[in-house]
Amino acid sequence: NAGVTQTPKFQVLKTGQSMTLQCAQDMNHNSMYWYRQDPGMGLRLIYYSASEGTTDKGEVPNGYNVSRLNKREFSLRLESAAPSQTSVYFCASKIRQGRMEKLFFGSGTQLSVL
Amino acid sequence: TQLLEQSPQFLSIQEGENLTVYCNSSSVFSSLQWYRQEPGEGPVLLVTVVTGGEVKKLKRLTFQFGDARKDSSLHITAAQPGDTGLYLCAGAGYLQTGANNLFFGTGTRLTVIP
Repeated sequence: NAGVTQTPKFQVLKTGQSMTLQCAQDMNHNSMYWYRQDPGMGLRLIYYSASEGTTDKGEVPNGYNVSRLNKREFSLRLESAAPSQTSVYFCASKIRQGRMEKLFFGSGTQLSVL
Repeated sequence: TQLLEQSPQFLSIQEGENLTVYCNSSSVFSSLQWYRQEPGEGPVLLVTVVTGGEVKKLKRLTFQFGDARKDSSLHITAAQPGDTGLYLCAGAGYLQTGANNLFFGTGTRLTVIP
């Protein structure tokens, strides 16, 4: 089972360059998420998509855009990368059963902005 | 943002020892989850607790949700090298927009030495 697949695994950018992080899930989940993980700060939500065709800002959306291309795919774009965006990025999808929710994470993209 | 502070930040113990990791906040959460993350991978859900005072056991791991639903603990009995990883707590709360969000703790990096 593939689960949540993210590409690329590693990326180095120069300040001002743009790039798109790709994410796809094969579990037919409605909700998908993009997080960034920084040392000592846990994971912080950048953007999410509650269902196909909708996207909303999370805790730290500035400098990012997203596209929910279809039910499977949710991409994250950095239009003009800045050193402050150096981080590990995780995509996740979610299943909800009553009061219980479970996030399934991809293996992450380590991004360095020089 | 609803902050969850974890302690200790780093923990290195010998195989067979017991340990407790704490997750504290001034906010009330409707539920709380614990994840384990291994290097180069995304977090994997271990448990969800939803009721104040609830205790759940998963083999040698015991999870407790505080009575006031503001804090939680994870106790590991007779730690094994396979327990090594980053442990993250996450509380279910709300963004400023009113949307549901999972707020992640700062993380505890556990190393179990054989």
